[in-house]
Amino acid sequence: NAGVMQNPRHLVRRRGQEARLRCSPMKGHSHVYWYRQLPEEGLKFMVYLQKENIIDESGMPKERFSAEFPKEGPSILRIQQVVRGDSAAYFCASSPAPGGGSDGYTFGSGTRLTVV
Amino acid sequence: GQQLNQSPQSMFIQEGEDVSMNCTSSSIFNTWLWYKQDPGEGPVLLIALYKAGELTSNGRLTAQFGITRKDSFLNISASIPSDVGIYFCAGLNSGGSNYKLTFGKGTLLTVNP
Repeated sequence: NAGVMQNPRHLVRRRGQEARLRCSPMKGHSHVYWYRQLPEEGLKFMVYLQKENIIDESGMPKERFSAEFPKEGPSILRIQQVVRGDSAAYFCASSPAPGGGSDGYTFGSGTRLTVV
Repeated sequence: GQQLNQSPQSMFIQEGEDVSMNCTSSSIFNTWLWYKQDPGEGPVLLIALYKAGELTSNGRLTAQFGITRKDSFLNISASIPSDVGIYFCAGLNSGGSNYKLTFGKGTLLTVNP
């Protein structure tokens, strides 16, 4: 029973390039959440998606960042024209119900984005 | 926005010692969660607390949900080297945004063998 799969694990981009981060939720989970973690900080909520719908993107910067969770395939977090301040670890989590139910979320291992 | 104050920021202990860390908030949370994060990995859920006053154990871990719903603590007894990592508290919002986790900044635990 595979957990939440994120790829790539590490991503290096030059300033101005695009970064695409992928997340495949656990089997049977239709709720996906993206969080960002800066060095020595806790995780910060970015966006909550269900299949084909963005439910809450209040934590996501309004410019350059977008997220999707299509009917088929993984959820994608896309960062256009990356800047050094985008360097962080990005975590995806999934759950079978909003808020995770009795088991909470299950997090993936994250994608560590470095902008050079 | 909501914030969780987690303390201590870091701890250095000897193997076999007990550890205690806590989180406080100015806001009420309906659920408190404690996670552990190993280097290069995502957070893994240790304990979930759902009711004010609840005391829950998971092996050598014990956590309590404060009566006011604004605080929680985590105890680790008889620490071992594999307890090393960053421990995060997280509160799950109530009401309409009951899917959004607010995390503390973490407690870095180092265990000397």
